[in-house]
Amino acid sequence: QVRLVQSGAAVKEPGSSVKVSCRASGVTFGTFGFSWVRQAPGQGLEWLGGTAPIFETPRYAQKAQGRLTITTDESTNTAYMELSRLTSADTAVYFCARDRGTIPLDPWGQGTLVIVSS
Amino acid sequence: EIVMTQSPATLSVSPGERVTLSCRASQSVSSNLAWYQQKPGQAPRLLIYDASTRATGIPARVSGSGSGTEFTLTISSLQSDDFAVYFCHQYSNWPQSFGQGTRLEIK
Repeated sequence: QVRLVQSGAAVKEPGSSVKVSCRASGVTFGTFGFSWVRQAPGQGLEWLGGTAPIFETPRYAQKAQGRLTITTDESTNTAYMELSRLTSADTAVYFCARDRGTIPLDPWGQGTLVIVSS
Repeated sequence: EIVMTQSPATLSVSPGERVTLSCRASQSVSSNLAWYQQKPGQAPRLLIYDASTRATGIPARVSGSGSGTEFTLTISSLQSDDFAVYFCHQYSNWPQSFGQGTRLEIK
């Protein structure tokens, strides 16, 4: 059974960076991509960026471009997203999800709460 | 970026009823449309992909239809477990995008 386990909650100061990890088990890493999605308190889902085997590099939503970096480490079956220059508007739950292209986001990680506050 | 618009924002229905949720894309996404269910404090769960294919373990009373720019999610004979928020998601074009969600609440 495929499972994605994310790192724990984080509290960050404005202007700093946060790095969230997403470790996959029960699946062969590298045969699929990942998407990162966030959800601000009481709000909907926002796609931030992702990887896919057909792309050489990650793709980012315009809003996240320049601040978001998505990486993967096949040796540890782990994907990462790092968001820099944080503001209070980045306070949200961040999710990773497997993206097989023809079958989209499934499963999802449990989510990581990131709070940006001074 | 493709904008996804869901309607209505909230739907109040009684258990046992049939309900239809709508999702519209600002441009054609072919059949590259998925639906997710999300309950409070949980991650979204994939229900439907390719507009009409049920994900593993999803019951037959949940169905999706549409192509191009107009899509619907239908749940027949609503059960207590169905009251949640539902999101549509286009994965035809990158960046991918979600609708704002429809909340299904008990009347």
